[in-house]
Amino acid sequence: EVQLVESGGGLVQPGGSLRLSCAASGFTFSTYAMSWVRQAPGKGLEWVSTINYSGGTTFYADSVKGRFTISRDNSKNTLYLQVNSLRAEDTAVYYCAKGGESYGFLFDYWGQGTLVTVSS
Amino acid sequence: EIVLTQSPGTLFLSPGERASLSCRASQSVSSTYLAWYQQKPGQAPRLLIYGASSRATGIPDKFSGSGSGTDFILTISRLEPEDFAVYYCQQYGSSPWTFGQGTKVEIK
Repeated sequence: EVQLVESGGGLVQPGGSLRLSCAASGFTFSTYAMSWVRQAPGKGLEWVSTINYSGGTTFYADSVKGRFTISRDNSKNTLYLQVNSLRAEDTAVYYCAKGGESYGFLFDYWGQGTLVTVSS
Repeated sequence: EIVLTQSPGTLFLSPGERASLSCRASQSVSSTYLAWYQQKPGQAPRLLIYGASSRATGIPDKFSGSGSGTDFILTISRLEPEDFAVYYCQQYGSSPWTFGQGTKVEIK
């Protein structure tokens, strides 16, 4: 059974930083692209970032480019998102999502999310 | 950027009725790259449909997808209580990968 468990969220002041983690199990982590998708309170879904299976290629939404960094440790089956220079508009639940079999930007399994709140 | 517009915003239906949800794209989307997700309150989204019409693993056949180009439809043939939720479309063929704003299916 595929399981994705996020952690690392919390309350942070504007301009602050956090490191989000996603522990994966139930599939061969090192062979799939992985992504972060966020959802602001009461709002829709927004793709944030994707990393390919090896970690050699990354993609970012314009809204986070230069502030967020996606990475992975295939030896630990873990995905990361370093979030810096946080703004109020970054407040959201951050979901980790597994890429599909043939399409890395199709999200076939999701974690339960970790809440990031940016407020002074 | 491909903008996806879902309609209606909210759909009021009774259990047993048929639901038809629309997703319209600002530019043509290869039918291979359109997905639908279901999200219930307090839960993560769940993939229902990919490639515009292929059901994901474990998804019952009451859910079906159709369409091509810029117009796509998600149909739920007979609504059951567990189907009342928010549904999102997503295109994954053109960066940035975008979602529609969602359609909420509520009990009438």
